[in-house]
Amino acid sequence: AQSVTQLDSHVSVSEGTPVLLRCNYSSSYSPSLFWYVQHPNKGLQLLLKYTSAATLVKGINGFEAEFKKSETSFHLTKPSAHMSDAAEYFCVVSDRGGATNKLIFGTGTLLAVQP
Amino acid sequence: DGGITQSPKYLFRKEGQNVTLSCEQNLNHDAMYWYRQDPGQGLRLIYYSQIVNDFQKGDIAEGYSVSREKKESFPLTVTSAQKNPTAFYLCASSTGQEINYEQYFGPGTRLTVT
Repeated sequence: AQSVTQLDSHVSVSEGTPVLLRCNYSSSYSPSLFWYVQHPNKGLQLLLKYTSAATLVKGINGFEAEFKKSETSFHLTKPSAHMSDAAEYFCVVSDRGGATNKLIFGTGTLLAVQP
Repeated sequence: DGGITQSPKYLFRKEGQNVTLSCEQNLNHDAMYWYRQDPGQGLRLIYYSQIVNDFQKGDIAEGYSVSREKKESFPLTVTSAQKNPTAFYLCASSTGQEINYEQYFGPGTRLTVT
């Protein structure tokens, strides 16, 4: 079965410094992986996705993630944090165990950006 | 503008009452989903529908019911049998059954039951 683990429940950075949000996955198949962002009391917005093409995936708002099969990781990074990046981030893996497009969500990482 | 709408944004109910949450999409997506979000637990799948007039239970379907009579609509009813209904509910849709298709989310409905 597929699963995803977000290694930090909270991350705090200063504005202008790099962001690293860590995600490890478990999958018996070649997975599809996603990062979503959620601002308070809002729905989720797709940041980026990996679907077995290039291992370095670029997303919106300057975020990118690298798929590392040997480490079963899909960490999210951004070179320079902005105040508007403060939100909750979810790492997600697709469920290839069944025939449907079911997504399995991590428990989220809350990113705080200090001025 | 294409997208997913959920109404209302906030909903309050007394314990023992059934309540229906609305979800409409104009993206022409075949598949629709309902998730429940609780603090620190990520999103958990309640029900999903891959096509009109068909739906399947997710991981936490007990105490919930759905219908899919139209492609664009997928309402969720929280029944009095749901033991802990207070939560943030999110509706999503996707283009089809392919596993690498991302899901698009609505803005959510926050349900409070007292």
